[in-house]
Amino acid sequence: KAGVTQTPRYLIKTRGQQVTLSCSPISGHRSVSWYQQTPGQGLQFLFEYFSETQRNKGNFPGRFSGRQFSNSRSEMNVSTLELGDSALYLCASSPGSGPIGGELFFGEGSRLTVL
Amino acid sequence: QQQVKQSPQSLIVQKGGIPIINCAYENTAFDYFPWYQQFPGKGPALLIAIRPDVSEKKEGRFTISFNKSAKQFSLHIMDSQPGDSATYFCAPRQDNYGQNFVFGPGTRLSVLP
Repeated sequence: KAGVTQTPRYLIKTRGQQVTLSCSPISGHRSVSWYQQTPGQGLQFLFEYFSETQRNKGNFPGRFSGRQFSNSRSEMNVSTLELGDSALYLCASSPGSGPIGGELFFGEGSRLTVL
Repeated sequence: QQQVKQSPQSLIVQKGGIPIINCAYENTAFDYFPWYQQFPGKGPALLIAIRPDVSEKKEGRFTISFNKSAKQFSLHIMDSQPGDSATYFCAPRQDNYGQNFVFGPGTRLSVLP
C-alpha cells in the first residue's frame, strides 16, 4: 500500500508570495491533518480535514488555509508569506476518528524556505 | 492551552543501554497516548501507543508505561542500538476530538556504538 505522498518536497519562495502544498493520503484514509515543524516550535497542528470538511483547526493565522477533495487528497495554502513561515510542513493521514483512527501516518514533508 | 512536556530534551546512551523518555500532560481528557519516532529527513512514524485502561505495553524492545494519577507516560528502549538514534515525540490525544494531536517538544536520542 502506498504511503502518504507530499509534493513538492522542497520549495523556495520570497516574502509576500503564496504557496500551495499537496498531500495524497493512504488509500482508504478519510482524515488528513497538516502540521508545521520548526526547530523552535516543534510540531504544531494546523488543521484536520475529514470527508472534505475541516474538523479541527490549530492556532494559526488566516493566511493558512486548506481544503480536501472528494478523493481525500488535500491541499494547504499559505498566502502573504513571511520569513517565519519557513518550516517543514507535514501531512498525516488516518482512517478516521475514535478508536479506529488513532494512528497518524506521516508523509516526508514539504520543506518551505521563505527568503 | 493543552500543554505537553517531555524530558529529557536530549539523551546520549551507549549501545545496550536503556534510555527512558518521559512525557507529562495536563489534559485529563486525553485517552490515547502514543510515541512517535522521527529520523532526519523523514516524517514521524508511530512507534508504540497505549490506552489508559492498561499501565504498561511492550512491543519488542520498546515499552510504554502509563501513570494516570501522575498524568505521565514513559518510553523505555531496551538493549538500545545505534539505529534507534532519532527524535522521539509523545503525542497524547483525546479520542473524540478528531485528529488534533498535541505533540511534545521532542527528545533527541543518540545511541553510541
